[in-house]
Amino acid sequence: GAGVSQTPSNKVTEKGKYVELRCDPISGHTALYWYRQSLGQGPEFLIYFQGTGAADDSGLPNDRFFAVRPEGSVSTLKIQRTERGDSAVYLCASSLTPYDEQYFGPGTRLTVT
Amino acid sequence: DAKTTQPNSMESNEEEPVHLPCNHSTISGTDYIHWYRQLPSQGPEYVIHGLTSNVNNRMASLAIAEDRKSSTLILHRATLRDAAVYYCILRYAGTASKLTFGTGTRLQVTL
Repeated sequence: GAGVSQTPSNKVTEKGKYVELRCDPISGHTALYWYRQSLGQGPEFLIYFQGTGAADDSGLPNDRFFAVRPEGSVSTLKIQRTERGDSAVYLCASSLTPYDEQYFGPGTRLTVT
Repeated sequence: DAKTTQPNSMESNEEEPVHLPCNHSTISGTDYIHWYRQLPSQGPEYVIHGLTSNVNNRMASLAIAEDRKSSTLILHRATLRDAAVYYCILRYAGTASKLTFGTGTRLQVTL
């Protein structure tokens, strides 16, 4: 079946601009996660949704980052006033329930110039 | 979160077994041991997990020390496609949610 998909695969934006990154989880998966991975590092947790609500947003670095999942399936990660330090691969994962293994998408590579 | 310690890198020859170690001396009784791997230019992929007993699946085996302070991921016959970064992660059974990744072990497989 279809896995987790993320769009776009690559995004280049200028410092100060607004970006949206989209995640389509596996159908029927109730839990959805966003992670960020910098070069040479392991993924770093950002936020976790159970259904439509953000159950844990403790990893969001500041208030420029926001994520939504309005219908409990697709999620969008939104970054305002992008900074060069936001450049990274943004990974999305989903799981059938919050206690199950997580399935990751291929990621969106964000480059802020 | 309890921490894990893994070697930065390991090498293996193709068709030979690989033992990837992980130390987790501060593990609690309710922490599950999870392994994920990340192939180049891909998102992480679940490999295996366990609590106390050794576990086997189609991808690998997980051997857990009796005191649970260490574990070993075993790839029975490494192939070039197993070249990846392998992450050992502790996940508290009572808290569904995030995975806390370290820097993992980069496995190189050569002919």
